[in-house]
Amino acid sequence: GAGVSQSPSNKVTEKGKDVELRCDPISGHTALYWYRQSLGQGLEFLIYFQGNSAPDKSGLPSDRFSAERTGGSVSTLTIQRTQQEDSAVYLCASSLAYTRSTDTQYFGPGTRLTVL
Amino acid sequence: SQELEQSPQSLIVQEGKNLTINCTSSKTLYGLYWYKQKYGEGLIFLMMLQKGGEEKSHEKITAKLDEKKQQSSLHITASQPSHAGIYLCGADYNQGGKLIFGQGTELSVKP
Repeated sequence: GAGVSQSPSNKVTEKGKDVELRCDPISGHTALYWYRQSLGQGLEFLIYFQGNSAPDKSGLPSDRFSAERTGGSVSTLTIQRTQQEDSAVYLCASSLAYTRSTDTQYFGPGTRLTVL
Repeated sequence: SQELEQSPQSLIVQEGKNLTINCTSSKTLYGLYWYKQKYGEGLIFLMMLQKGGEEKSHEKITAKLDEKKQQSSLHITASQPSHAGIYLCGADYNQGGKLIFGQGTELSVKP
């Protein structure tokens, strides 16, 4: 596709359930990033991938959060045993490569997660 | 993030007026990105600045990075309702990779 796509666009779940969020980056982009945007915390980095490897997971808030990327393309962010504080908009971005600072990150529309 | 401060937090201007949004870093940047976000949507890339003293323009929006590469300003000339939204600056401190974002500036333009 032309841009970064994310699914679902909205997800409502009950506390304690697991959720999976999907990101489909721009074709040919080797770097993929997950961010979280919430009212109190602004836009925060979670994890990035270069290819299928995740060299920087420093932003994942707890071990309930995990992410994987397969085939150097689609990525899935999984949140286990969701808590109300996990409610936020989860944004995915991709760029051509990680190692060059001139590579702009292009963002998807986000997944709005609501934990009841 | 305390590393990157945006001001003002919100701004209401009359259509046709000029405005400036500032983004100040506590340390030297490798790159500074400006994005715009409308409610419920993702971030739209506006401009990226890398070199001290650099200035870029797109339509009625101009962004500058100061010589010391620690502050950037975004200037909108003759604002229009279509400029309304949240403007976010993002800092690259690692010469590539994750961005650290400011808290955003919410802009409203009154017709």
